[in-house]
Amino acid sequence: DIVMTQTPLSLSVTPGQSASISCRSSQSLLHSDGRTYLYWHLQKPGQPPQLLIYEVSKRASGVSERFSGGVSGTDFTLKINRVEAEDVGVYYCMQSIKNPITFGQGTRLEIK
Amino acid sequence: DVHLVESGGALVQPGESLSLSCTASGFSFGDYWMVWVRQAPGQRPEWVATINPDGSQTYYLDALRGRFVVSRENAKNSLFLQMHSLRPDDSGVYFCVRDWGNWGQGTPVSVSS
Repeated sequence: DIVMTQTPLSLSVTPGQSASISCRSSQSLLHSDGRTYLYWHLQKPGQPPQLLIYEVSKRASGVSERFSGGVSGTDFTLKINRVEAEDVGVYYCMQSIKNPITFGQGTRLEIK
Repeated sequence: DVHLVESGGALVQPGESLSLSCTASGFSFGDYWMVWVRQAPGQRPEWVATINPDGSQTYYLDALRGRFVVSRENAKNSLFLQMHSLRPDDSGVYFCVRDWGNWGQGTPVSVSS
């Protein structure tokens, strides 16, 4: 199984500051079709996860430009610029290149 | 708008069976792969199963193969998950998902004596 390892597991950020979450995959997520199947989801309290980023860096419909995704090898990063109160929740990375589809442990973001 | 509504969650005893449903609207259901994901309290989401548009291909978490069955009825815009020999660690909220960008609100399953 592909293991997704997130760091840090929790983050406390002052509004207006930036935040960064890392996710390392145990195998390459680059498919032969040229796409890299790495996603970022945010789960707000009491809600289902919501897609933020797909294929490493593509923002899902309606997602703020404050969210961006990047990669270096098998190390993926979600960056949140100008953190707002509404960004609170748990962020998960996820891979879907190979079954079983697996999620990272989650990173809890709170506002200072 | 894409709308996914799960139903069928309940409190059941270990060893019992349960069937979940997901009713889809707002898109051409028969054109899409669909996924079931579950989440135990305080845990990360866990992929359960995937089914292709015509229902001819199904994929399961290895630990669930043989106990869980995913199916669909495209004419009724419905996705199903039959769960057998339920165990306490099958407890959680079960979500149906399309394309990873569309999640239902989930239906809770509790397996306890």
